[in-house]
Amino acid sequence: NAGVTQTPKFRVLKTGQSMTLLCAQDMNHEYMYWYRQDPGMGLRLIHYSVGEGTTAKGEVPDGYNVSRLKKQNFLLGLESAAPSQTSVYFCASSSHVSGANVLTFGAGSRLTVL
Amino acid sequence: GQNIDQPTEMTATEGAIVQINCTYQTSGFNGLFWYQQHAGEAPTFLSYNVLDGLEEKGRFSSFLSRSKGYSYLLLKELQMKDSASYLCAVVDSNYQLIWGAGTKLIIKP
Repeated sequence: NAGVTQTPKFRVLKTGQSMTLLCAQDMNHEYMYWYRQDPGMGLRLIHYSVGEGTTAKGEVPDGYNVSRLKKQNFLLGLESAAPSQTSVYFCASSSHVSGANVLTFGAGSRLTVL
Repeated sequence: GQNIDQPTEMTATEGAIVQINCTYQTSGFNGLFWYQQHAGEAPTFLSYNVLDGLEEKGRFSSFLSRSKGYSYLLLKELQMKDSASYLCAVVDSNYQLIWGAGTKLIIKP
């Protein structure tokens, strides 16, 4: 059981380049999320999805787009990368366990924008 | 605004007990999570509290006081593998998760 898989694990971009981060989950979870994690800050929600074909903005959506064409996949796109988008990106999916929406995270994707 | 406060770093000795505190000010409250994150890895779920009191799970316990906006994670019989960051997160009135910056726990032999 792979859980949540993110690709790529590392990527270096030049300012202005575009790229897509792929997230796949095999747990049949409805909810999926993209977070970024920066030093000294809590995880910040970029976009999320409550089901196939739906997406919604989180706390810091600017400069990112997402798509959820299939239930198991959630893609995060950077349209024109900026140095401020240098971060570690985590994908997560969630299920309801004993009244709580517990997140299962992928291993993370470290992105550097030069 | 919404705010979650945790100490940035704590140090403890192998075999000892450590308490990691989390205080929160959020628009509403619908539960509090603790996650563990080893360096360079993904956060993993530890505990969830929605009612006041102590929840015990093996060597780890989590406490909640909603009236004080306060929680703590208690780790007993510390092991070297417990060296990690511990993240506190609160579910607000819109069922959004608000995350603290995390507490880095260093275990010394």
